[in-house]
Amino acid sequence: ILNVEQSPQSLHVQEGDSTNFTCSFPSSNFYALHWYRWETAKSPEALFVMTLNGDEKKKGRISATLNTKEGYSYLYIKGSQPEDSATYLCAFSSGGSYIPTFGRGTSLIVHP
Amino acid sequence: EAQVTQNPRYLITVTGKKLTVTCSQNMNHEYMSWYRQDPGLGLRQIYYSMNVEVTDKGDVPEGYKVSRKEKRNFPLILESPSPNQTSLYFCASSFRGKLNSPLHFGNGTRLTVT
Repeated sequence: ILNVEQSPQSLHVQEGDSTNFTCSFPSSNFYALHWYRWETAKSPEALFVMTLNGDEKKKGRISATLNTKEGYSYLYIKGSQPEDSATYLCAFSSGGSYIPTFGRGTSLIVHP
Repeated sequence: EAQVTQNPRYLITVTGKKLTVTCSQNMNHEYMSWYRQDPGLGLRQIYYSMNVEVTDKGDVPEGYKVSRKEKRNFPLILESPSPNQTSLYFCASSFRGKLNSPLHFGNGTRLTVT
């Protein structure tokens, strides 16, 4: 079982704060790194799929970076809004198998 | 509309009574997978399928069966459910050959086994 770690486990911020969290994964035999946003009572939705070292992706106020050599990815949210409250999941796949292994997620709560 | 459809959304059953949770996708995806989500444990993979008639165990396959007779369908079968299978289940699919293909998830099935 691949070890995919996410930190912090949970995060409370005030509206307007910028925040970031981390996904750590094995640095060898990298294939792809996924980020998903999972709102309560809904299903996870893909934010980004990153495949190359140094990749940076952006969608609105959310962005992500990838360092495959050291085995980590950061997700940034600029100017958090209450609607950003969700669990953010990362998933890592290796060896060309495309079988993603999920971390336990970071739960973000943005207070108005 | 491209989607993954899971049924039922909610299911309450008793120990030992066989049940099937259906999953269907209309995106011609090769890869399909089942996950269960339990508090504090994240998404854990039960079974996956790389293509028709090809299925493999994930991290927590005990007590579950799957089949992939058609590309679009990937049912999850609990032959003799037990209370420890009470969980939230998700089906997901994606293109297997595309490196940057994300998973598309169904709406989930909340199963309670008494």
